[in-house]
Amino acid sequence: DVKVTQSSRYLVKRTGEKVFLECVQDMDHENMFWYRQDPGLGLRLIYFSYDVKMKEKGDIPEGYSVSREKKERFSLILESASTNQTSMYLCASSFLRGGRNVANYGYTFGSGTRLTVV
Amino acid sequence: RKEVEQDPGPFNVPEGATVAFNCTYSNSASQSFFWYRQDCRKEPKLLMSVYSSGNEDGRFTAQLNRASQYISLLIRDSKLSDSATYLCVVNPGLNAGGTSYGKLTFGQGTILTVHP
Repeated sequence: DVKVTQSSRYLVKRTGEKVFLECVQDMDHENMFWYRQDPGLGLRLIYFSYDVKMKEKGDIPEGYSVSREKKERFSLILESASTNQTSMYLCASSFLRGGRNVANYGYTFGSGTRLTVV
Repeated sequence: RKEVEQDPGPFNVPEGATVAFNCTYSNSASQSFFWYRQDCRKEPKLLMSVYSSGNEDGRFTAQLNRASQYISLLIRDSKLSDSATYLCVVNPGLNAGGTSYGKLTFGQGTILTVHP
């Protein structure tokens, strides 16, 4: 069974800390994504990566950075955590089909990391 | 206007009922469409893709109307286990470089509760 694994299910951090959220997929997918999900706002795209060392900003990149040094791993970094970054963080992956990258099969999500910043 | 809009509900229906969810999307160039299901405190999971001709998977039927930019999901003979949030999801299409990277845009979700 294909898997996307997020390193922590629950995380509590202090304001100002640097926070790393790790995501690993075993499906050899080219694309990986980081979303946050908040009540009333749905899922919002933070960053995505379509290849090793490549990254693109999503809709809400401010306060975040990412790293993709290996194909299977995509890390989300909160440079200086703030209370408004308390959220559920979801990692997802999908694969590239031929020369056009269309997510005909949708995403596979990790189980999420619920981050609380105090 | 939001890129993908859904009625958030909640929908409360008895077992055995038929329930329909609707969704509209703003980008006429959108390429592919999905319904995801998300259980409480769990990750979203793909329920079904939505094709132009309409498609069915057991008790679930999805429809797409490109002219009206409208997607629907029909659930027949509702079960208690159908209780969840249903997310309407759209691939907004290719960028200027001719790729989409598979980015998906999610609606806020429609909450369904099926009661005995």
